Amino acid sequence: GNSVTQMEGPVTLSEEAFLTINCTYTATGYPSLFWYVQYPGEGLQLLLKATKADDKGSNKGFEATYRKETTSFHLEKGSVQVSDSAVYFCALSPLSGGYNKLIFGAGTRLAVHP
Amino acid sequence: DADVTQTPRNRITKTGKRIMLECSQTKGHDRMYWYRQDPGLGLRLIYYSFDVKDINKGEISDGYSVSRQAQAKFSLSLESAIPNQTALYFCATSATRPTSGTGELFFGEGSRLTVL
Repeated sequence: GNSVTQMEGPVTLSEEAFLTINCTYTATGYPSLFWYVQYPGEGLQLLLKATKADDKGSNKGFEATYRKETTSFHLEKGSVQVSDSAVYFCALSPLSGGYNKLIFGAGTRLAVHP
Repeated sequence: DADVTQTPRNRITKTGKRIMLECSQTKGHDRMYWYRQDPGLGLRLIYYSFDVKDINKGEISDGYSVSRQAQAKFSLSLESAIPNQTALYFCATSATRPTSGTGELFFGEGSRLTVL
């Protein structure tokens, strides 16, 4: 079946540090991949996406590359800020059925300290 | 105003009580979803609806029911609440046909439910 596995958190970093949050997936065919972010007290919002192999999604200084050979979609940012503190969810949208049914990972909490 | 609005935002209730969580949206989307968020488990799909006449069970529908009263309204009911239904519940919407936002969901701010 389809599934998403994320690295466990919390991830604690100092401001301006480099961030990597690992995400691997299991899926048949060629799913679309997403990173969603949940800031404290808010709902999830789309951070970036990639719809085919080797695509790179990017937004707000975050990047993730769709790697079919390693079934991965790791999130990276070169220099984190305190305002990046949030929970990050990796997700996939399987192509079967053509529905927008997202399958989420467990989430990784990021805490950035000044 | 938020595009996806959930009420109530917080609710404390007792075991055995009937609870309804409501969701309304102004995005004009046909597809609506209810998710449950638990620490360490991420989001799990409870029910989804692709139009007013289409209701589908998600992976954890037992103990829940839904009603799609209109294109813009989708409510979730717990007929007889139990403590392990204590969680953060999210409503979400998406466009019928994926375009540049393939698979993108738009979430409400969540309804925190505590069952004592």
